[in-house]
Amino acid sequence: QKEVEQNSGPLSVPEGAIASLNCTYSDRVSQSFFWYRQYSGKSPELIMSIYSNGDKEDGRFTAQLNKASQYVSLLIRDSQPSDSATYLCAVTDGGSQGNLIFGKGTKLSVKP
Amino acid sequence: DTEVTQTPKHLVMGMTNKKSLKCEQHMGHRAMYWYKQKAKKPPELMFVYSYEKLSINESVPSRFSPECPNSSLLNLHLHALQPEDSALYLCASSRTRSDEQFFGPGTRLTVL
Repeated sequence: QKEVEQNSGPLSVPEGAIASLNCTYSDRVSQSFFWYRQYSGKSPELIMSIYSNGDKEDGRFTAQLNKASQYVSLLIRDSQPSDSATYLCAVTDGGSQGNLIFGKGTKLSVKP
Repeated sequence: DTEVTQTPKHLVMGMTNKKSLKCEQHMGHRAMYWYKQKAKKPPELMFVYSYEKLSINESVPSRFSPECPNSSLLNLHLHALQPEDSALYLCASSRTRSDEQFFGPGTRLTVL
């Protein structure tokens, strides 16, 4: 059973702090890794995609990938109350032409 | 146009009704997906269309019937649903099967 593991949280950080969200995956042949943000009652919104080892930065967001450790993370700098949401880690299933395997999500709460 | 649209936003139906959910994208994407999401759970893949052909049916009950009339449109026909089918139904699209997926706003379905 291919799995994506996330700490369900809630992760609580003060406004302005760095929020660190972590994800591990079991499928060694996974090639693509995504972070989605989902506000309560809304649909998932793609915020980061990463395909190779290392860091990828986009504004206040940095995704980090380590394929050897089967680990992907998302850092949110200068966290804002509007970042409060559930963050879903998704990994492509290497054996199924790209189906996404989702983690259960980490709920982030940014306190003013 | 960089979005996926879904109609209706909300749907309430009885167990004997027949209804359809609609999804549309004009990004030229050739893969489209239906997901089901229950509260506090990640999205679950139901169907995948790639180049207008059904690639995977994830053992979804036959009371759900997908249709892809053309490369921009995706329908989900519903018949004789059960109360446990109440959920947020999400449509997504991607350039190809292995590319990042973009979600529509979803249809909130309630089965009475």
